[in-house]
Amino acid sequence: GAVVSQHPSRVICKSGTSVKIECRSLDFQATTMFWYRQFPKQSLMLMATSNEGSKATYEQGVEKDKFLINHASLTLSTLTVTSAHPEDSSFYICSARTTPNTEAFFGQGTRLTVV
Amino acid sequence: GQQVMQIPQYQHVQEGEDFTTYCNSSTTLSNIQWYKQRPGGHPVFLIQLVKSGEVKKQKRLTFQFGEAKKNSSLHITATQTTDVGTYFCSRTSGNQFYFGTGTSLTVIP
Repeated sequence: GAVVSQHPSRVICKSGTSVKIECRSLDFQATTMFWYRQFPKQSLMLMATSNEGSKATYEQGVEKDKFLINHASLTLSTLTVTSAHPEDSSFYICSARTTPNTEAFFGQGTRLTVV
Repeated sequence: GQQVMQIPQYQHVQEGEDFTTYCNSSTTLSNIQWYKQRPGGHPVFLIQLVKSGEVKKQKRLTFQFGEAKKNSSLHITATQTTDVGTYFCSRTSGNQFYFGTGTSLTVIP
């Protein structure tokens, strides 16, 4: 299957700082990538859809100024958590599909801890 | 998007027992996908169902899509410790896909 690589796998940051998470499709081009957040023992909640060369589409309730998404190329999308707070601590996972309505491939996830 | 409900939320079974998780939607689904997430890991695709009443099998796993395309089930026969994890169904809406609430399976050796 296709490979999606996500970095870093773990990050600890101080409150008020920003953290950037990278998501790369290694063996295919992804015009669209998806960012999810998962709290312990909960489901994956879609945060936003990242579109190459255009603005991301955010789900209701997700602050676009806090979670900055950039999809500069067909193989790279980044999520920047700005002015992080302890309540932003979570597991962030990116995903991509090779074609619409097919299986999704996930990155390894990033566990963010804000102290 | 409207979240798809899954039951049960948690299930503990003895190794060798069967397990079933159900996925229910209030609206008709164009298709449904199933994923497995091991503890500490990321979701891994299992299967996609598209047709009304469709049944697919993967070794000990049986997936079913309801006739009305509003529900789906995943049945595991004779569970093994390697089946431990959370099973999610996922619905598609446009280009996006949304996960169900998930069922966490614990298999007791």
